[in-house]
Amino acid sequence: TQLLEQSPQFLSIQEGENLTVYCNSSSVFSSLQWYRQEPGEGPVLLVTVVTGGEVKKLKRLTFQFGDARKDSSLHITAAQPGDTGLYLCAGAAGKLIFGQGTELSVKP
Amino acid sequence: SAVISQKPSRDICQRGTSLTIQCQVDSQVTMMFWYRQQPGQSLTLIATANQGSEATYESGFVIDKFPISRPNLTFSTLTVSNMSPEDSSIYLCSVSAGGPGTGELFFGEGSRLTVL
Repeated sequence: TQLLEQSPQFLSIQEGENLTVYCNSSSVFSSLQWYRQEPGEGPVLLVTVVTGGEVKKLKRLTFQFGDARKDSSLHITAAQPGDTGLYLCAGAAGKLIFGQGTELSVKP
Repeated sequence: SAVISQKPSRDICQRGTSLTIQCQVDSQVTMMFWYRQQPGQSLTLIATANQGSEATYESGFVIDKFPISRPNLTFSTLTVSNMSPEDSSIYLCSVSAGGPGTGELFFGEGSRLTVL
């Protein structure tokens, strides 16, 4: 069974702090997606990484795909209250496998 | 991009009853996906709904419990039958945003069901 382990599960930080969320697996993925979900809404796609070692930046968010395409990280610089939400990673390997999610709370 | 509307957005249901969730997409799509998101857990694929054929169910999900309709390329329904409190969850409809196997999905806003 393919699994994506996300950590941490919960994160509560102050505005302005930096944070990193990890997504790890023993499986190789052809691509990996990061989604953000706010309460009462469905997940919204943030980014797709495809190439091992790839780094993508989206404003204050930096996404990295591991060299072996088994893991990924999301780093947020100077977090803001608007970053609050559930962050989900998802790996594509025939099927789409979702991680358990990281519940981020950024306090002003 | 695709705009996906789900109804109802939330409902409180009695044990033993059934509820049908509707999903409307603003463009024609080949495959529609139904996911379940239980409290504190990740998204689990229930089934893939193809127009003109029976839905394909994932392990642990059966048609008798979760019948799906796909009458055309823009609409699908998921019924949660004979509900129990364990069925309390968010049910999400989604469509593919990228090519096959890319994993890029558009999601509806979800239908939050609470079963008493």
